[in-house]
Amino acid sequence: EPEVTQTPSHQVTQMGQEVILRCVPISNHLYFYWYRQILGQKVEFLVSFYNNEISEKSEIFDDQFSVERPDGSNFTLKIRSTKLEDSAMYFCASSDGTSGHSYNEQFFGPGTRLTVL
Amino acid sequence: QQQVKQSPQSLIVQKGGISIINCAYENTAFDYFPWYQQFPGKGPALLIAIRPDVSEKKEGRFTISFNKSAKQFSLHIMDSQPGDSATYFCAASKPDTGRRALTFGSGTRLQVQP
Repeated sequence: EPEVTQTPSHQVTQMGQEVILRCVPISNHLYFYWYRQILGQKVEFLVSFYNNEISEKSEIFDDQFSVERPDGSNFTLKIRSTKLEDSAMYFCASSDGTSGHSYNEQFFGPGTRLTVL
Repeated sequence: QQQVKQSPQSLIVQKGGISIINCAYENTAFDYFPWYQQFPGKGPALLIAIRPDVSEKKEGRFTISFNKSAKQFSLHIMDSQPGDSATYFCAASKPDTGRRALTFGSGTRLQVQP
């Protein structure tokens, strides 16, 4: 069964450092998302990406964040200068965007736990 | 306007019982309401979803009830099993915005006791 994969599973970094979180969406999917979940809290939308550009971003997704699809398979989230409050689980998701029985079902990856020290 | 409010925060149910989780929303532009199940250390996985043109959807032991006028929807888990112990999130999305970015509720930690 196709699945979204994410690497690394856990990233530890020092405050102020840049991190890149990587995702491989399901191969025929066209819509890509990043969400984050601070420990014990709800999942929050960060950004959506379609046709090589950002479709929407939340207030959380400030200038410190960027996304890229550098090739036909990877989808990355970069945090330029990490802060303590960026510590969270980051989930990548993808969707084929079609209507029907599984209306825009978003498939989530297992997440990358980011710890900023 | 963008929030989805979920209750209860946690729920303990005996094996074989019915688990009920409730969500409410304000934004009438929402037109897709999925429920996600999350096990520790895993990403959320779609459990069941509903659109507001129906009032109920059932898949196996899982049922969504939807009340459009009250702007509320709920998840019922019949014959709850210990394997159902997980965190459940309701969510909502609206068309043509962020390619259907999901707005999640705060989550309900369900524990089914054997």
